[in-house]
Amino acid sequence: KAGVTQTPRYLIKTRGQQVTLSCSPISGHRSVSWYQQTPGQGLQFLFEYFSETQRNKGNFPGRFSGRQFSNSRSEMNVSTLELGDSALYLCASSFGLAGATGELFFGEGSRLTVL
Amino acid sequence: QKEVEQNSGPLSVPEGAIASLNCTYSDRGSQSFFWYRQYSGKSPELIMFIYSNGDKEDGRFTAQLNKASQYVSLLIRDSQPSDSATYLCAVDSSNTGKLIFGQGTTLQVKP
Repeated sequence: KAGVTQTPRYLIKTRGQQVTLSCSPISGHRSVSWYQQTPGQGLQFLFEYFSETQRNKGNFPGRFSGRQFSNSRSEMNVSTLELGDSALYLCASSFGLAGATGELFFGEGSRLTVL
Repeated sequence: QKEVEQNSGPLSVPEGAIASLNCTYSDRGSQSFFWYRQYSGKSPELIMFIYSNGDKEDGRFTAQLNKASQYVSLLIRDSQPSDSATYLCAVDSSNTGKLIFGQGTTLQVKP
């Protein structure tokens, strides 16, 4: 059974640019959650999508957005990048809603560096 | 006050000792509690979950939950160097259904 796939794995952008990250969940999983991980803040919840609908959103500015497609694949976008957006972005899939099942399967992450 | 709090450590224990990792949470309505392990450079993976007050054992791991004190812990018996990792506590939010993670505790098991 294939795991959660995130692309790209590494990317470097400059301030003001935008970036799109992709996540393909485990087959059959309908929920995709996104987290930002930094050494100082730990795992910060960005949003969760279930059946193409955003079910929860974390405390991030509107520059952070996401969507989910009918095949459960998800993308997140960050516009007008800032230096502080440098982080590891983790995608996690689950069969049901994350808070209900708690069993998240994480991808390897996309490491974003903003210069 | 953070929703889920953990001591970042590092917690250093000798091989064969018991490692005790602690987590407190603020939402009294939370019902589900999870422990994830994250090796350096890797992604988190679920190792334990607990829903009821008391202890839950799985091999060398024991999760303990005290809802009255809003406290959940993970005990690792006979700690091995391979247990060296960051342990993340996660709690469901009763209001939003989100899964909220603590900052994690780094455990170092010394041979």
